[in-house]
Amino acid sequence: DGGITQSPKYLFRKEGQNVTLSCEQNLNHDAMYWYRQDPGQGLRLIYYSQIVNDFQKGDIAEGYSVSREKKESFPLTVTSAQKNPTAFYLCASSPTLNYGYTFGSGTRLTVV
Amino acid sequence: EDQVTQSPEALRLQEGESSSLNCSYTVSGLRGLFWYRQDPGKGPEFLFTLYSAGEEKEKERLKATLTKKESFLHITAPKPEDSATYLCAVQAKAAGNKLTFGGGTRVLVKP
Repeated sequence: DGGITQSPKYLFRKEGQNVTLSCEQNLNHDAMYWYRQDPGQGLRLIYYSQIVNDFQKGDIAEGYSVSREKKESFPLTVTSAQKNPTAFYLCASSPTLNYGYTFGSGTRLTVV
Repeated sequence: EDQVTQSPEALRLQEGESSSLNCSYTVSGLRGLFWYRQDPGKGPEFLFTLYSAGEEKEKERLKATLTKKESFLHITAPKPEDSATYLCAVQAKAAGNKLTFGGGTRVLVKP
């Protein structure tokens, strides 16, 4: 079945560490996105990519970095510069304009 | 700046008690309005896309409508399995593929 796979499901980070969240899709979608969701809040856009080797900052990109070397993959690195990284991270993809997103199942990141 | 506001934040219903969720939006040229359902600890699941005022779409007990300023998600005779958070998002014509989300409405349907 086609879909988006996020891993790991749960991730714990120590203070000062960088961690990388994985997002892989086999839907042949061109565009991919990373959103952050905090309790009781809506989704906020971190980064997005419309084609391979190109990506743009979203509304809350500070402390995060991404790469898009392959169409299928869009990993997100949460750096030590992100002061409040504990959240639920969602990856999504879409084919073209006028289409909604297909979401992955999310990664819950906790700072310990 | 595109904005989406959903109300109420939470809704408790008895099984069979119909109700409506509101999504108010401001956007510079609407391309589409999207409704998603999200279960706890999971990613959002696509429900509907609405493109123009007056448009309506239905799926089982859910019906979405759109005006120039807001959208409603009507839940008719809900069942406990309809309990979830419902998210509304808008896509502006000038924003490419980007979606701007509201804060969601948490719905609890009690048997």
